Amino acid sequence: NAGVMQNPRHLVRRRGQEARLRCSPMKGHSHVYWYRQLPEEGLKFMVYLQKENIIDESGMPKERFSAEFPKEGPSILRIQQVVRGDSAAYFCASSPRLGTSGSTDTQYFGPGTRLTVL
Amino acid sequence: QKEVEQNSGPLSVPEGAIASLNCTYSDRGSQSFFWYRQYSGKSPELIMFIYSNGDKEDGRFTAQLNKASQYVSLLIRDSQPSDSATYLCAVTGNEKLTFGTGTRLTIIP
Repeated sequence: NAGVMQNPRHLVRRRGQEARLRCSPMKGHSHVYWYRQLPEEGLKFMVYLQKENIIDESGMPKERFSAEFPKEGPSILRIQQVVRGDSAAYFCASSPRLGTSGSTDTQYFGPGTRLTVL
Repeated sequence: QKEVEQNSGPLSVPEGAIASLNCTYSDRGSQSFFWYRQYSGKSPELIMFIYSNGDKEDGRFTAQLNKASQYVSLLIRDSQPSDSATYLCAVTGNEKLTFGTGTRLTIIP
């Protein structure tokens, strides 16, 4: 059973370019979460999606960032007009379904995409 | 007050000893509690989850939860050098994980 897959693993962009990060959840998982980890800092929630729906985007910057999880294909985190402060590790996690407790809401992380903005 | 607080460390423990990692959280509505391990440059790896008061054991790891005190801990018995990593405490309440900043643990051979 393949785990959460993310690509690319490393992405270099110049200021002002666009970055697209992809995430394929674990088989059987319908919930996807994106987190950002700045150097030497903790993981910060960005957005929570189900197929074709954004459930919670309270952690997403209001400008330049967007996320989608289409009916077919991976979830995409898109950063437009990147700036140096966007340099970070972006992790995707997936869970099987929403649960009030226990393993059903356990999130499993992908390997991450390390974005470097020059 | 941070939502999830951990001692940043570093915490140094001799090989074979017990490592004790602590975490407090502010939201009384938090329902599930997780410990992740993260090696440098790698992604978080789930170690344990717990959602009921008391202890939960899995191999060398024991998670302890006290909802009245809003406290969760992780004990690592017979610590090994491979346990050296950053340990992240996380809680859920509204379908998203809120992480602490992590405790860096070093096991000294």
